[in-house]
Amino acid sequence: QVQLVESGGGVVKPGGSLRLSCAASGFPFSDYYMTWIRQPPGKGLEWIGYISGSASSMYVADSLRGRFTISRDNAKNSLSLQMNSLTAEDTAVYYCARDAGLGYWGQGTLVTVSP
Amino acid sequence: DIQMTQSPSSLSASVGDKVTITCQATQDISHSLNWFQQRPGKAPKLLIYDASTLETGVPSRFSGSGSGTDFTFSISSLQPDDVATYYCQQYDSLPYTFGQGTKLEIK
Repeated sequence: QVQLVESGGGVVKPGGSLRLSCAASGFPFSDYYMTWIRQPPGKGLEWIGYISGSASSMYVADSLRGRFTISRDNAKNSLSLQMNSLTAEDTAVYYCARDAGLGYWGQGTLVTVSP
Repeated sequence: DIQMTQSPSSLSASVGDKVTITCQATQDISHSLNWFQQRPGKAPKLLIYDASTLETGVPSRFSGSGSGTDFTFSISSLQPDDVATYYCQQYDSLPYTFGQGTKLEIK
């Protein structure tokens, strides 16, 4: 069955960087767009961006572009989110999801930006 | 960016009640709308896509309707298991934006 498992979360200092990963299984990974979404504690969902199956197309929301980059390694069935210049406002649970339609989600990984 | 506004922000209803949540987009999104359920401490779950199509395995008491800018999500007979926050999300235009959520509780 479809499984998405995020990893790489943790505590990082303001101004720091973090790279999140999402391990996918149970479906032909390279056939699907993959999406990142985040959710600050106690708040709503924010769509971060997505990447096409071939990685030829990638889109990140304007508010995050320049700091966040999405990439994938189809040989390893792995999706990544590189996050730079982190601030307290980036504290959130980060989810990966399959396709633009978000039919399958991982369990999320918590990123805390704190001195 | 397209803004999605849900109403109400929170809702309390009794078991067996019909519950309705609305979602309004700031521009025409045709039928490009998802509805998600998020139980406390869990990842969101897709319930409805294309505004009115039930995801496989989702109980038939859930339904969605609407097109253009105005959409409705309903639960025909509220069950205790339905306690959750519900989100709409448009996927017509990038970035694909979410509503602010509707927290549903049992009275």
